[in-house]
Amino acid sequence: DAKTTQPNSMESNEEEPVHLPCNHSTISGTDYIHWYRQLPSQGPEYVIHGLTSNVNNRMASLAIAEDRKSSTLILHRATLRDAAVYYCILREGNSGNTPLVFGKGTRLSVIA
Amino acid sequence: DGGITQSPKYLFRKEGQNVTLSCEQNLNHDAMYWYRQDPGQGLRLIYYSQIVNDFQKGDIAEGYSVSREKKESFPLTVTSAQKNPTAFYLCASSIGGENTEAFFGQGTRLTVV
Repeated sequence: DAKTTQPNSMESNEEEPVHLPCNHSTISGTDYIHWYRQLPSQGPEYVIHGLTSNVNNRMASLAIAEDRKSSTLILHRATLRDAAVYYCILREGNSGNTPLVFGKGTRLSVIA
Repeated sequence: DGGITQSPKYLFRKEGQNVTLSCEQNLNHDAMYWYRQDPGQGLRLIYYSQIVNDFQKGDIAEGYSVSREKKESFPLTVTSAQKNPTAFYLCASSIGGENTEAFFGQGTRLTVV
């Protein structure tokens, strides 16, 4: 699997937008970009994923660069509940149920 | 409610004893996975199974064993051969098909004393 690079930590004020970056310069044409987050002492939960176009769901938005070498997870209004470790993961599109490969992610702190 | 259940949440064992961690899902998912997480680290893959009666080793399979006799269940045994078994263990499942999301259990925190 291609690797991703994320900042170790970020900080945000409550109710402000948060932009979490991810670099994946060696991404292949069939790799999907997945984001998961892990709250303290819990299992990870799915946030969003995309291939080429920007994606929106109830939790977040995913902005994908035109060359696909980077992406940004956007939380529109951070809450205290959003404090978690966020993982950006590449997953080959034709690979069916191959496992997710986790890096160290970005630890997001939200300040009240 | 549909979901993936790990039990117990906390587990203590004496060094040298084998211990089995339970993982059950009622989501009708084909694939199941076991990960290990150490403090401040990401998740590392131990074993995974894409179909009943079949499983593959992950990156850190040494000292662990699994079985997949039923679609709903994927127990993990931590054997005495695992040199450093104290960790947070996470089980996940996903349905078949291209790039579907994975669902994780709440984890079992194993402490070996």
